Amino acid sequence: NAGVTQTPKFRILKIGQSMTLQCTQDMNHNYMYWYRQDPGMGLKLIYYSVGAGITDKGEVPNGYNVSRSTTEDFPLRLELAAPSQTSVYFCASNPGTANTEAFFGQGTRLTVV
Amino acid sequence: QKEVEQNSGPLSVPEGAIASLNCTYSDRVSQSFFWYRQYSGKSPELIMSIYSNGDKEDGRFTAQLNKASQYVSLLIRDSQPSDSATYLCAVGTGGFKTIFGAGTRLFVKA
Repeated sequence: NAGVTQTPKFRILKIGQSMTLQCTQDMNHNYMYWYRQDPGMGLKLIYYSVGAGITDKGEVPNGYNVSRSTTEDFPLRLELAAPSQTSVYFCASNPGTANTEAFFGQGTRLTVV
Repeated sequence: QKEVEQNSGPLSVPEGAIASLNCTYSDRVSQSFFWYRQYSGKSPELIMSIYSNGDKEDGRFTAQLNKASQYVSLLIRDSQPSDSATYLCAVGTGGFKTIFGAGTRLFVKA
């Protein structure tokens, strides 16, 4: 089982560039999430989705956009990258009931210079 | 602002000892509580979940929940060097969101 797959694993962006972080899951989970983790910090929720066509903002959505056209895919778009977006990004999913664990992708380490 | 607080550590214990990790949360209506382990450079992985007051044991791990005190803890018995990691406390606030603490770094000395 692949679980949650993120690409790329590493990326260096220049200030002002844009990119899309890809996330796909093969578990038919309804809920998907994007988190960022800064050094020594916990996970901050950027955006989440409860199903195809439905997305909503988390704690730190500014500078990001998402879409959910299929159950499997939940890409995260960075427009006009800034140094403050240097972080590790994790995509996660769960089946769609509130009290179940989240399954995480392996993360994307992004550096904006 | 709903918060989950953890002591950042590092917590250092000798091999074979009990490691005790603590977490408090601010949202009284929280329903679900999780402990994730995160090795350096890796993604979090679930090690324990607990939903009702009391203790829940799974092997060397015991999660303890006290909703009145808004407190959840994780005990690791017979700590091993392989337990050295950051432990993230996470709280389900109802709906679809989970709030994570900043994590406690644990070092188990051989």
